[in-house]
Amino acid sequence: SQQGEEDPQALSIQEGENATMNCSYKTSINNLQWYRQNSGRGLVHLILIRSNEREKHSGRLRVTLDTSKKSSSLLITASRAADTASYFCATGAGTALIFGKGTTLSVSS
Amino acid sequence: DTAVSQTPKYLVTQMGNDKSIKCEQNLGHDTMYWYKQDSKKFLKIMFSYNNKELIINETVPNRFSPKSPDKAHLNLHINSLELGDSAVYFCASSQGVFGAQPQHFGDGTRLSIL
Repeated sequence: SQQGEEDPQALSIQEGENATMNCSYKTSINNLQWYRQNSGRGLVHLILIRSNEREKHSGRLRVTLDTSKKSSSLLITASRAADTASYFCATGAGTALIFGKGTTLSVSS
Repeated sequence: DTAVSQTPKYLVTQMGNDKSIKCEQNLGHDTMYWYKQDSKKFLKIMFSYNNKELIINETVPNRFSPKSPDKAHLNLHINSLELGDSAVYFCASSQGVFGAQPQHFGDGTRLSIL
């Protein structure tokens, strides 16, 4: 069954603005991962945050995790046109990653 | 060098045919996966192999049969293709415990059933 749900489904912003995507999940997790998918390409791993971590940074990306609310957020700062893609959260619990439906981000110049 | 490569990239075929998709990874990972992504971009795990052993076999019609000849290869054979099989199929690999490590994806095989 589907675990993660991203919100919003679609997001349109201007270059230079920040983009925030949220992910909610239902059961206990070991970790939560964020992936990016450019049109016509495979998913690319962005960041992994473990259940005992609250925040993680990687370049312009900032991920937070609130296990009490079963939610995570991905913040992309100073967005660029090249950030246009779909972003997925995936929860790891046991033997598989369960992906959400994704947020489609459009960044216009 | 491409880390996870799938062939073919596009597959257009008639209903009822049998087809195979091949996947190879050169990352030295011990776990490989097949995912199906539908038209709404929902990505669902189909199979997972660890060291050539089947670990995950989700509710997938038995027309789909994975085969892992070695740790670096995981192929997917589909018999008697149906219209509902149209989707993008992704191969992925990871090292170690399945849900605890980043996964590396191929660029997908776009399967269209006429």
